[in-house]
Amino acid sequence: GAGVSQSPRYKVAKRGQDVALRCDPISGHVSLFWYQQALGQGPEFLTYFQNEAQLDKSGLPSDRFFAERPEGSVSTLKIQRTQQEDSAVYLCASSGRLAGDEQFFGPGTRLTVL
Amino acid sequence: AQSVAQPEDQVNVAEGNPLTVKCTYSVSGNPYLFWYVQYPNRGLQFLLKYITGDNLVKGSYGFEAEFNKSQTSFHLKKPSALVSDSALYFCVFLGGGYNKLIFGAGTRLAVHP
Repeated sequence: GAGVSQSPRYKVAKRGQDVALRCDPISGHVSLFWYQQALGQGPEFLTYFQNEAQLDKSGLPSDRFFAERPEGSVSTLKIQRTQQEDSAVYLCASSGRLAGDEQFFGPGTRLTVL
Repeated sequence: AQSVAQPEDQVNVAEGNPLTVKCTYSVSGNPYLFWYVQYPNRGLQFLLKYITGDNLVKGSYGFEAEFNKSQTSFHLKKPSALVSDSALYFCVFLGGGYNKLIFGAGTRLAVHP
């Protein structure tokens, strides 16, 4: 299909390992978002790109979290030196340029840090 | 702080009965409000949004919501519930300079046969 895809769907990491989560947005979508959803809670904003520019990273919980979108399409969320509190589902969404455009979500990557 | 509140953790409804999932907002200016639904293993899906215009918004799967400025509410409704509507529903607003979705805590809807 032509939806947002994310890989891997599941990731188990040992505490202290680095992980990289990939998001392929809908083709042509200018805006790309990352959210973190802890168990039993609503998603929380992490960061936002418009094309390749990271316009808002206010939701990144620490400097261990880093996101990039170098060519304005695929995005990678990297977490360095993972901690148990990083265990969550990481959701990627993409949308058109206009504020209020529907955000289309991917299936998420479930990260478990042991 | 700006937020949306979903006062019910869970709503139980019999199939065929009308359903309401409540949401109130505390958002300054002109709020952009949304409802999203999360089915198990299917990810988050957009249902409907209110940006401006008609206060009654119709969305996917027969759902609708009414923007009520005086009561600062945006309740989700459906005239006749289906078992397949059972899912987790989120009331959401567009915050932070209109570039990030801020989610409520969610309401789990259970529709019983």
